[in-house]
Amino acid sequence: QQQVKQSPQSLIVQKGGISIINCAYENTAFDYFPWYQQFPGKGPALLIAIRPDVSEKKEGRFTISFNKSAKQFSLHIMDSQPGDSATYFCAAKAMGYGQNFVFGPGTRLSVLP
Amino acid sequence: KAGVTQTPRYLIKTRGQQVTLSCSPISGHRSVSWYQQTPGQGLQFLFEYFSETQRNKGNFPGRFSGRQFSNSRSEMNVSTLELGDSALYLCASSKGVGTEAFFGQGTRLTVV
Repeated sequence: QQQVKQSPQSLIVQKGGISIINCAYENTAFDYFPWYQQFPGKGPALLIAIRPDVSEKKEGRFTISFNKSAKQFSLHIMDSQPGDSATYFCAAKAMGYGQNFVFGPGTRLSVLP
Repeated sequence: KAGVTQTPRYLIKTRGQQVTLSCSPISGHRSVSWYQQTPGQGLQFLFEYFSETQRNKGNFPGRFSGRQFSNSRSEMNVSTLELGDSALYLCASSKGVGTEAFFGQGTRLTVV
């Protein structure tokens, strides 16, 4: 119940295309859902985050869509660029659990020039 | 504004030894969390400290321990190292509960 599932494991997109990564959870106590981007040799960098009281949040080319009833959320990267090639992690945290994040297994995105 | 600083960046240790890793959080942040990242298990929560107190602990053996100092800097210690402890150890800092978490670049530990 503490798991966060993430798909696909890897994704190849052409430059200018839309990259979509999906995550699903079971624990209804989760109340904060961030996405992180990680380049090789670097720590994860916070991209964008959402709380269950909104269904969508957009920041630049990055959009989170959140479906509370389905317990699913997704990251959309519009106009994908080669510089977006990285591993993306979704995560979730439950209220009352401090900063204990549960991470998805990651999606390796490759954007072809 | 300086980010999260982890030292050292790389470590090579022998099985059975112990190791101490250090994390300096972003100025003003009082919460420090530690994660282990491996190809097989992904990112796993180790523990979290807030105002020098351990607030949460993940499912790791007692060989993994940590502490936080009054200036919010944190250290984690792994005793009796095993080959399976080879991983990237990441530290994340936050202002407090329910706020954004920012990661450092990690310490790459190799146990031989």
